[in-house]
Amino acid sequence: DSGVTQTPKHLITATGQRVTLRCSPRSGDLSVYWYQQSLDQGLQFLIQYYNGEERAKGNILERFSAQQFPDLHSELNLSSLELGDSALYFCASSVDGGGRTGELFFGEGSRLTVL
Amino acid sequence: QKEVEQDPGPLSVPEGAIVSLNCTYSNSAFQYFMWYRQYSRKGPELLMYTYSSGNKEDGRFTAQVDKSSKYISLFIRDSQPSDSATYLCAPESSGAGSYQLTFGKGTKLSVIP
Repeated sequence: DSGVTQTPKHLITATGQRVTLRCSPRSGDLSVYWYQQSLDQGLQFLIQYYNGEERAKGNILERFSAQQFPDLHSELNLSSLELGDSALYFCASSVDGGGRTGELFFGEGSRLTVL
Repeated sequence: QKEVEQDPGPLSVPEGAIVSLNCTYSNSAFQYFMWYRQYSRKGPELLMYTYSSGNKEDGRFTAQVDKSSKYISLFIRDSQPSDSATYLCAPESSGAGSYQLTFGKGTKLSVIP
């Protein structure tokens, strides 16, 4: 158990809909990262937050947004969903976001299926 | 060319075999090189990492980096069925005050008893 909690574990929805994925980082970790994993693209970095502030952006679509709240949990919002958004979405946390990445602790992921 | 290339396999070996997993990369700025292991239906977990060129050993696992050829390797000695997982190489880059991992697509390994 990594200590990172993600909900929901599975989500099935229709094209055009909006969903919210939630992540609680390990106790004491200030950085939260969101990754998308699909068979053809592998694990793709979406966005990083550090202590409530956006720190880095990766391949995140404009239809997607995220935030980190004062209690350090994070939410990833996916809107206007398309079939191609079906994937595993992982949240990871680490102690430090300003220095080296160090070790990332991953949750078990949220599997999104868009029909 | 993708920044990190990794043969997806699958790779199937008998128990006790020596396994070699490899990645190539294109970004000369990578300094730290991580290996993550991902069991089915789980998130990745850090296995080990090396800094710059050279070898690092941890039990049955050895990580090797050759920066001159931009080649990363992970060797598993005396492989066990419990090593069956997907292995992802993940070099680290820095920029704009942040450090990021670039993951390979992963190699799926099966160790047959």
